[in-house]
Amino acid sequence: DIRMTQSPASLSASLGETVNIECLASEDIYSDLAWYQQKPGKSPQLLIYNANSLQNGVPSRFSGSGSGTQYSLKINSLQSEDVATYFCQQYNNYPRTFGGGTKLELK
Amino acid sequence: QVQLMESGPGLVQPSETLSLTCTVSGFSLTSYNVHWVRQPPGKGLEWMGVMWSGGSTDYNSALKSRLSISRDTSKNQVFLKMNSLQSEDTTTYYCATGPYNWFAYWGQGTLVTVSS
Repeated sequence: DIRMTQSPASLSASLGETVNIECLASEDIYSDLAWYQQKPGKSPQLLIYNANSLQNGVPSRFSGSGSGTQYSLKINSLQSEDVATYFCQQYNNYPRTFGGGTKLELK
Repeated sequence: QVQLMESGPGLVQPSETLSLTCTVSGFSLTSYNVHWVRQPPGKGLEWMGVMWSGGSTDYNSALKSRLSISRDTSKNQVFLKMNSLQSEDTTTYYCATGPYNWFAYWGQGTLVTVSS
């Protein structure tokens, strides 16, 4: 199975700040990576697919980058509604696997 | 629009079998693959298995011996059955889908508690 290691596990940031979340795959996943946002009590929502493509309706302050085994999610100008847990997921191989999550809070 | 809704018993006795239903609308089960994903309270996401649009299935090897996924295309429903439930199977179960390999659409999830 492909192991997805996310960092940091938790993050505290101020409104307007830029935030970066990292995701490391145990092998090359050829940009077959998605990022999801999950708010408390809700189901995950797709933010990014193919490592850097923004899902329709997602604010442009979210962006993804990376290749090979290393990927990142960037949130520019943090807003209060961005408080959530973020997960990366690879879809290069089965079983599909997720990162452990990054819990983002406001400072 | 694409919608998915999970339904199930809420409470299952240890060692019993869990049966969940994912009822979909806005797309055909013969066009999109439907996946099952679960999430223990406060923890990460685990992919369980998939009903392919063509009707075949694949399972996470960690669950394969206990898991079965089937469907009824006439009712727009996908079913999950998992036997020998234990306390660690207390999680929220989601069905998810999309036209491509990522999960663009998710159900609201259904919490299943394993307890006597």
